[in-house]
Amino acid sequence: GAGVSQSPSNKVTEKGKDVELRCDPISGHTALYWYRQSLGQGLEFLIYFQGNSAPDKSGLPSDRFSAERTGGSVSTLTIQRTQQEDSAVYLCASSFGSGTGTDTQYFGPGTRLTVL
Amino acid sequence: SQKIEQNSEALNIQEGKTATLTCNYTNYSPAYLQWYRQDPGRGPVFLLLIRENEKEKRKERLKVTFDTTLKQSLFHITASQPADSATYLCALRDSSYKLIFGSGTRLLVRP
Repeated sequence: GAGVSQSPSNKVTEKGKDVELRCDPISGHTALYWYRQSLGQGLEFLIYFQGNSAPDKSGLPSDRFSAERTGGSVSTLTIQRTQQEDSAVYLCASSFGSGTGTDTQYFGPGTRLTVL
Repeated sequence: SQKIEQNSEALNIQEGKTATLTCNYTNYSPAYLQWYRQDPGRGPVFLLLIRENEKEKRKERLKVTFDTTLKQSLFHITASQPADSATYLCALRDSSYKLIFGSGTRLLVRP
């Protein structure tokens, strides 16, 4: 596809379960970002991947959160032992990763996670 | 700590009028400022970027200003249309790759 895709679009889970969220970036984009957006809030940076460099995990809220990016393309965000406060929309974005300030991020539609 | 403020109250205007949205920031010296549009259930979509040394940027009916002294950006939509109704987010960026987003302002354009 032409844009960033994410799956699933919606995920309802029970407290304590693990969830995996998937992101397919735009082909050719070397940079990939994960954000979290709670209701009525701005986007909260979670993690950043750039090529083969070590990811910037500085935004991950706890060690229950992890992410990987295989083959420089698809990325998976994993949340272990989910808590109700994890409920939010998780957004993925990709960019060319030019390293310049004009590098534009293209966002996917997000995964709405609800933890019961 | 770095803080970005956008009016949390929705802006409600009549079709054809100019919408003006405000983004204020503190404890930050961004090199770039971006505006995004977000529709319900969708991810943000990039609209405009303005550099710290630029005062104003235009794109069709959109205009962005950037005042680094006031630490403020204004986002204008002229001749507004109901299809412009959405949430508009401002995002700041320094020389790194990180974007810091405001919480957005919802715009409602009445026909």
